[in-house]
Amino acid sequence: KAGVTQTPRYLIKTRGQQVTLSCSPISGHRSVSWYQQTPGQGLQFLFEYFSETQRNKGNFPGRFSGRQFSNSRSEMNVSTLELGDSALYLCASAALAGTSTDTQYFGPGTRLTVL
Amino acid sequence: QKEVEQNSGPLSVPEGAIASLNCTYSDRGSQSFFWYRQYSGKSPELIMFIYSNGDKEDGRFTAQLNKASQYVSLLIRDSQPSDSATYLCAVNVNDYKLSFGAGTTVTVRA
Repeated sequence: KAGVTQTPRYLIKTRGQQVTLSCSPISGHRSVSWYQQTPGQGLQFLFEYFSETQRNKGNFPGRFSGRQFSNSRSEMNVSTLELGDSALYLCASAALAGTSTDTQYFGPGTRLTVL
Repeated sequence: QKEVEQNSGPLSVPEGAIASLNCTYSDRGSQSFFWYRQYSGKSPELIMFIYSNGDKEDGRFTAQLNKASQYVSLLIRDSQPSDSATYLCAVNVNDYKLSFGAGTTVTVRA
């Protein structure tokens, strides 16, 4: 079974631009979570989607948004990029209907650099 | 107080030794606990999960959970150079969200 895929793998943007990142979960997985990883803050939860509904959101400004499509693929968008948004953005998928014991599997990530 | 805290590293162990990694969490309602391994420049990969108090073994890895003490640990037996990585403890704080510790970097000396 193919793993979680993320595109693009690398991205360079300038301040003020916006960016859209894409994630395709493992086949059959319906939950998609997004995380930001930086050296200073570690892995931080952005949001989680299940059946096209956002069920939880982390403590990030409104510039960070996401959505999920009917095929479970997900996108996240960051508007008005800031230097501090430079990070590895990770997508993780989980199989099921949101029990607390579900296991998340990570994609390879998108490395975003903001200049 | 951080939701998940891991023992500070880096941790250096000789090949063949046991590496012991510790993690504490603040939310008593946490249900599930995960250990991920992350090699430099790569994404986290799942090593183990544990839901019940006690020990859980998988090959050279043993996870231990003590909910009363809000403590979870990972032991790596017979450490190999390929085990050199950052180990992340993750806790399901509420449904649909994982909280991660800062990670402990392990170096296995050949």
